[in-house]
Amino acid sequence: AQTVTQSQPEMSVQEAETVTLSCTYDTSESDYYLFWYKQPPSRQMILVIRQEAYKQQNATENRFSVNFQKAAKSFSLKISDSQLGDAAMYFCAYRSADYYYSGGSNYKLTFGKGTLLTVNP
Amino acid sequence: DAGVTQSPTHLIKTRGQQVTLRCSPISGHKSVSWYQQVLGQGPQFIFQYYEKEERGRGNFPDRFSARQFPNYSSELNVNALLLGDSALYLCASSFGSNTEAFFGQGTRLTVV
Repeated sequence: AQTVTQSQPEMSVQEAETVTLSCTYDTSESDYYLFWYKQPPSRQMILVIRQEAYKQQNATENRFSVNFQKAAKSFSLKISDSQLGDAAMYFCAYRSADYYYSGGSNYKLTFGKGTLLTVNP
Repeated sequence: DAGVTQSPTHLIKTRGQQVTLRCSPISGHKSVSWYQQVLGQGPQFIFQYYEKEERGRGNFPDRFSARQFPNYSSELNVNALLLGDSALYLCASSFGSNTEAFFGQGTRLTVV
C-alpha cells in the first residue's frame, strides 16, 4: 500500500515571501501521479498542481512549483510571492496509474495529513 | 457550469441511526469518489464508482455502502452510526480515469 507523509503540521510565511511545504511518499510502483490540494476554511479541496511520475520536468503553475525527486520519493511544493489568499490547509496526494487496476479506471487518492499554512501580513 | 454539489451541507444524527448523503457530479463526469475526512486528518478513500459500477473500496466496514445512478449522481449510505463516523464527507467527480478530480464542499456529519 502507498503512504504519504507530510512532516510539517504547520508553517507560516510573511506576505510576498516564499515558503516550501514538504511531502514524502512510499510506493513500489513506477508510474503514478502526485498532487497538491489546497483546502481553505470553505472546506472545498482545490487542485493546486499535478505531477506525472514519468515526467522529469517539475510542474509549475504560476506562483506554485514543485520539486519532484523520484528516487528520493519526495514531492515538495514551493509557493512564491505568498498572498493572504494562500492561507489554507495543504494536502499532498498520490494516485496509482490506471493499469495497476483491472477495471482500467482508478481515482483513488491517498492523502497525507496536511500542513496548515498561515500567511502573515 | 455548476461544480460538484453535495447535500445536505450539515447533518446531526444519533448513534445507531442511518444516514444518506448525496452527490451530483459535474455534468459529463462519469466517475464519482467518496472520502471521509476526520478533523485534523487528510481525506480517506471510501468508494469509487465509474459508469455505475463500483471500481474501488477503501478499508471501511460494511456499514458503509454507496451506489451510482444512471444520471451519474451518487449516494453514500452509512448504517448503525457510531460516534467515530463524525466527519466531513467529500465527494469528487472526474470525467475519466486520467483527468482531474473536482471536489464538492462536503457534508459535515455529526453523530451524537
